[in-house]
Amino acid sequence: GAVVSQHPSWVICKSGTSVKIECRSLDFQATTMFWYRQFPKQSLMLMATSNEGSKATYEQGVEKDKFLINHASLTLSTLTVTSAHPEDSSFYICSARDSIGLAAKSNEQFFGPGTRLTVL
Amino acid sequence: SQQGEEDPQALSIQEGENATMNCSYKTSINNLQWYRQNSGRGLVHLILIRSNEREKHSGRLRVTLDTSKKSSSLLITASRAADTASYFCATVAVGSEKLVFGKGTKLTVNP
Repeated sequence: GAVVSQHPSWVICKSGTSVKIECRSLDFQATTMFWYRQFPKQSLMLMATSNEGSKATYEQGVEKDKFLINHASLTLSTLTVTSAHPEDSSFYICSARDSIGLAAKSNEQFFGPGTRLTVL
Repeated sequence: SQQGEEDPQALSIQEGENATMNCSYKTSINNLQWYRQNSGRGLVHLILIRSNEREKHSGRLRVTLDTSKKSSSLLITASRAADTASYFCATVAVGSEKLVFGKGTKLTVNP
């Protein structure tokens, strides 16, 4: 149980285009999902907290108009990188918190396998 | 930011040896978690230790937590080549639901 998927696993796009990344909780409901970014040989940095049915909360320094987050259901959150540029190339990882299951009390987050974005 | 620091940044050992990684953090926490990440892959949750716990074991893993020193250690005993990965600690601060990751330790276990 507690599986999180991401799609696509990797994407290459041209500068100026927009890219959508999906994060799904496969066997549990998640009112809260988190989006992280990881540059090569660095740690994960939280970008935003995605809340089902409401606006995402962005961390300081993260442009909300550039990184659009939509959490339309209890099992799906999407991150759209708008007008991508080479400096947006990174590994994007989502996590989901089990809202009502056995892991709910521990606030444990379950991580997706990540999406590698390369902007040419 | 309460981003933690892990040390060492990189560790290279021989198979069969023990590996110890340390993590320090800055604020009061609810719990501390350790994750493993193979190169270019997602995170694997290893172990969670709550702020009122001092030590926890899971298989070949032993985690300690010293809240007075705001530090934790991860010990991997009898290491294997398959343990080669980056290891991150992550904390959840009191009153928060966010995970804040440390900078990680890159462990290489040589066969």
